[in-house]
Parts: sequence; structure tokens; C-alpha cells
Amino acid sequence: EIVMTQSPATLSVSPGERATLSCRASQSVSSNLAWYQQKPGQAPRLLIYGTSTRATGIPARFSGSGSGTEFTLTISSLQSEDFAVYYCQQYSNWPLYTFGQGTKLEIK
Amino acid sequence: EVQLVESGGGLVKPGGSLRVSCAASGFTFSSYSMNWVRQAPGKGLEWVSSISSSSTYIHYADSVKGRFTISRDNAKNSLYLQMNSLRAEDTAVYYCAANGYGSGWLNLWGQGTLVTVSS
Repeated sequence: EIVMTQSPATLSVSPGERATLSCRASQSVSSNLAWYQQKPGQAPRLLIYGTSTRATGIPARFSGSGSGTEFTLTISSLQSEDFAVYYCQQYSNWPLYTFGQGTKLEIK
Repeated sequence: EVQLVESGGGLVKPGGSLRVSCAASGFTFSSYSMNWVRQAPGKGLEWVSSISSSSTYIHYADSVKGRFTISRDNAKNSLYLQMNSLRAEDTAVYYCAANGYGSGWLNLWGQGTLVTVSS
């Protein structure tokens, strides 16, 4: 099983500032990495797939980068609606998908 | 409107059974692989099971293998998860999720249905 580890567990950032979230895989997943956003009481929403491609309707302030085992989700200028929990997911070992444990992005 | 709607969750005793369903609309359901993903209260996401578009390929997480059965009815645009021998640790919100076409990411999710296993 490919283990996904996200850091930090909680990130406190002020609105308008940049947030950088990390995700590490226990073995290479190439570029087969997705990011999801989940708000309280809601289902996850796909943000990024293929490491860096934004899903339909996702604002340009969200960007993804990395390859192999190290990945980053960057939110360039935080809006109030961006405070949520973010999960990475590998799909290299299809279909035995695994998710990271999540990073909670909270208002500083 | 493109959507997935789960139903069938509820309270069940340990060792009991439950079937949850997912109704798809607004897209060609029969063309997409489908999944069940669960989330225990206050915890992260756990992939449970996948089924290919024509039900040819089926996979399960080790944690549910031998107890859960995924199935689909393309004529009814529906996905199912039959859960037997339920345990307290199966308590979670169960989401159905559709793969992007030919891909491994999950680009459409339902709102989830809560399954509680407790005596």
C-alpha cells in the first residue's frame, strides 16, 4: 500500500496570504496525484488532478506542483471560502487509492 | 443536473447487514467507473471499493474484503454497496464517487449517507 503523508496537520494563515500544503508518498506515484477540498458537512470536491491540472471551475489561485514522492498545493491569496480541510490522493496504484490524512487550513 | 445521491444509511447492530445505494443522474453513468469512499466521524477519507463501468473489474480495501460487495445496475443508473458482518469501525459517512473518464481521480461525489454500527 502506498502511504500518503500530509503536512502540516493544521495550517493557520491570514486572508490574502499564501498557503502551502505538502503531501509525501511512501513510493513514487509519478504525477498521479489529486487534491480535494472538504468543508464541514460537505462532500469532498476535486481541485487538482495530474499533480497540476485544475478541475473545472477551480480558481487560478489554486495550483499544484511536484512529482514522484513530493507534492505541493499552493493557494496564492486566501479567500474566506478557502478555509477547509484539504486531502491529497494517489491513483498510481489504481484502483487501490489512498488518501493523506488531511491538512486543516484555518484562519489566523 | 449532474449528481450522485446516496441513500440507505442508518443504525445497525454489530454483525448486522445494510445496503446503501447511489442514484446517478445528468451523465452517462454506464461509461464511468464508480467507487465507495468512507469517512469515520472526525477522520479522513478511506477508499472502500471500486467497480468498472461494465462491472468487469471489482476491487476492495483489505478492511472490507469478504464482508462488503459492490455492484451496479447501469439500466437503473445505480450503484450499491452491500455491507455484511458490520463492525463498530465501519461507522462512517459513505460517499459514492465517480472517476473522471478513464482516470483515477474522483471528480463527482455524492453528499454521503451515514452508517452507524452500534448496539
